[in-house]
Amino acid sequence: DQQVKQNSPSLSVQEGRISILNCDYTNSMFDYFLWYKKYPAEGPTFLISISSIKDKNEDGRFTVFLNKSAKHLSLHIVPSQPGDSAVYFCAASAGGGSQGNLIFGKGTKLSVKP
Amino acid sequence: DADVTQTPRNRITKTGKRIMLECSQTKGHDRMYWYRQDPGLGLRLIYYSFDVKDINKGEISDGYSVSRQAQAKFSLSLESAIPNQTALYFCATSDAALGLDTDTQYFGPGTRLTVL
Repeated sequence: DQQVKQNSPSLSVQEGRISILNCDYTNSMFDYFLWYKKYPAEGPTFLISISSIKDKNEDGRFTVFLNKSAKHLSLHIVPSQPGDSAVYFCAASAGGGSQGNLIFGKGTKLSVKP
Repeated sequence: DADVTQTPRNRITKTGKRIMLECSQTKGHDRMYWYRQDPGLGLRLIYYSFDVKDINKGEISDGYSVSRQAQAKFSLSLESAIPNQTALYFCATSDAALGLDTDTQYFGPGTRLTVL
């Protein structure tokens, strides 16, 4: 049973518009959430994270929102750029860092069209 | 120079062969991980190590073994490779500091393994 779900395998957005990538989780013990970006032939690159004590974290064009009651988080990219085209993975962990395990979603492929 | 390196980057082998994938890091992190990625399945944890003397099985450890030779080196072995172990393999590291915001993992470039 998937604990971290990214239900949209792909998303296409026009350059300059907002990209919204969604992620749902089932384990209420998760307390730290991350987004990774992956280009072909490269390893995943850490993008942004949020702990369960917050509901929003912002870093430049990237903002992550966490809704604990709905067990849902989203990544907003504004404005989207062609270089943002990649696969985005949502990941979660439990135990305040002591567990060391990240559970990944299956990824969403974002295409930003010029 | 990359902080997390993996060798080889590509490998083609035959069923039944023993294969070792190597990972080195210069980040000074205590924790190291091995994942595999299959199309449409995201990343799944094979093994992880919190320090040189600590090795733990992940979600899909069957058919794999690991060795933590030093803080900076963590190798993954396939004792007798089979075709369904064809995948992308990633090594990752993280810091061992306590508290929240410490599970951020940093990935190597990956090894593409094909088992014929």
